[in-house]
Amino acid sequence: KNEVEQSPQNLTAQEGEFITINCSYSVGISALHWLQQHPGGGIVSLFMLSSGKKKHGRLIATINIQEKHSSLHITASHPRDSAVYICALLYGSNYQLIWGAGTKLIIKP
Amino acid sequence: EPEVTQTPSHQVTQMGQEVILRCVPISNHLYFYWYRQILGQKVEFLVSFYNNEISEKSEIFDDQFSVERPDGSNFTLKIRSTKLEDSAMYFCASSVNPYNEQFFGPGTRLTVL
Repeated sequence: KNEVEQSPQNLTAQEGEFITINCSYSVGISALHWLQQHPGGGIVSLFMLSSGKKKHGRLIATINIQEKHSSLHITASHPRDSAVYICALLYGSNYQLIWGAGTKLIIKP
Repeated sequence: EPEVTQTPSHQVTQMGQEVILRCVPISNHLYFYWYRQILGQKVEFLVSFYNNEISEKSEIFDDQFSVERPDGSNFTLKIRSTKLEDSAMYFCASSVNPYNEQFFGPGTRLTVL
């Protein structure tokens, strides 16, 4: 069973479009982590949030703990945003990360 | 800006050989982690480490694996006798505390032949 599900698996959009990536989960968590994995493999932390909303530049992340759902939004998308976006749950007494499968985003110029 | 570093970037080894993957976490971080990602699959948690001992490990982290913080800066993952299925990208991460965001190294690509 998957504790965390992301949708869509793949997303292709035109430059400038507003992007939404969703993450649903089935377990109680301490927080949720959004990460970006570049085509070369490197992983970068974008947000960690346990309630409400966070914004950083063109990226916005929201979480609804009651509904066990989080979204990552990208405004004015750009080809350099092309990457895999992963949500990971901070879970358990020792706070291990449970990883989603990722959403592969391609932004076309 | 401080960052997590990992060496080597790519390691090729023969099946049955021992490998040691090295990580230098961010200096004021206290919690350390190893993850692996088999090609085309999602990232999987291996182990977390705090105060010189393992705090959590997954079922992947069997007796073939061990971690160590041999000095004040390095954090190592040892695979005692590598198998073909150990071929993966291995990521090290560190955090100030376990409920803060983790910072990741660039990864070591391990290829077992």
